[in-house]
Amino acid sequence: DMKVTQMPRYLIKRMGENVLLECGQDMSHETMYWYRQDPGLGLQLIYISYDVDSNSEGDIPKGYRVSRKKREHFSLILDSAKTNQTSVYFCASRGFNSDYTFGSGTRLLVI
Amino acid sequence: GDSVTQTEGPVTVSESESLIINCTYSATSIAYPNLFWYVRYPGEGLQLLLKVITAGQKGSSRGFEATYNKETTSFHLQKASVQESDSAVYYCALAPDTNAYKVIFGKGTHLHVLP
Repeated sequence: DMKVTQMPRYLIKRMGENVLLECGQDMSHETMYWYRQDPGLGLQLIYISYDVDSNSEGDIPKGYRVSRKKREHFSLILDSAKTNQTSVYFCASRGFNSDYTFGSGTRLLVI
Repeated sequence: GDSVTQTEGPVTVSESESLIINCTYSATSIAYPNLFWYVRYPGEGLQLLLKVITAGQKGSSRGFEATYNKETTSFHLQKASVQESDSAVYYCALAPDTNAYKVIFGKGTHLHVLP
């Protein structure tokens, strides 16, 4: 069953803490993405990873970094989280013909 | 730049009524974009509903249809008779071509179907 798995589903962190969001896929897709979604703004691209250790900034990379050491895992890291990073984060992988498979999302609350 | 504009939600319709969610795109740097509709059901990630890569053609899935109209730069999503299980968020999206690494999403339209 082809899927993208995100962990955790829900997370509450205090401002200034570090946050690690994890994403895994079982389709051997080369390209993976991190998006965030906020009300009224739709999906905003944070980072793209073209393969292991080949990452590129998206439209809103500030305050985030990523790590891809294995093709099947793509992590999003927030060093010193801020309240404006409260959002729903989606990971996706890109298959043939630009068909995306998305995870179920991680709902992050920074207080 | 390139962008996608879709009906602002929430949209509320009763079961068995017809539905149209408008989507228009601006693709100033793309001659023939690929167009998509994605759907996100409660508690799940986005999943591809349908896509069309050739202007003038229609895509269909699960009773939904959308026709790629290059003249009006539109890709409206329609369904003749909605069901309560269609309640979800619908996203229109475009990609420059089949091999594009970046897809541009609309803001999403939240659909509520009343029983």
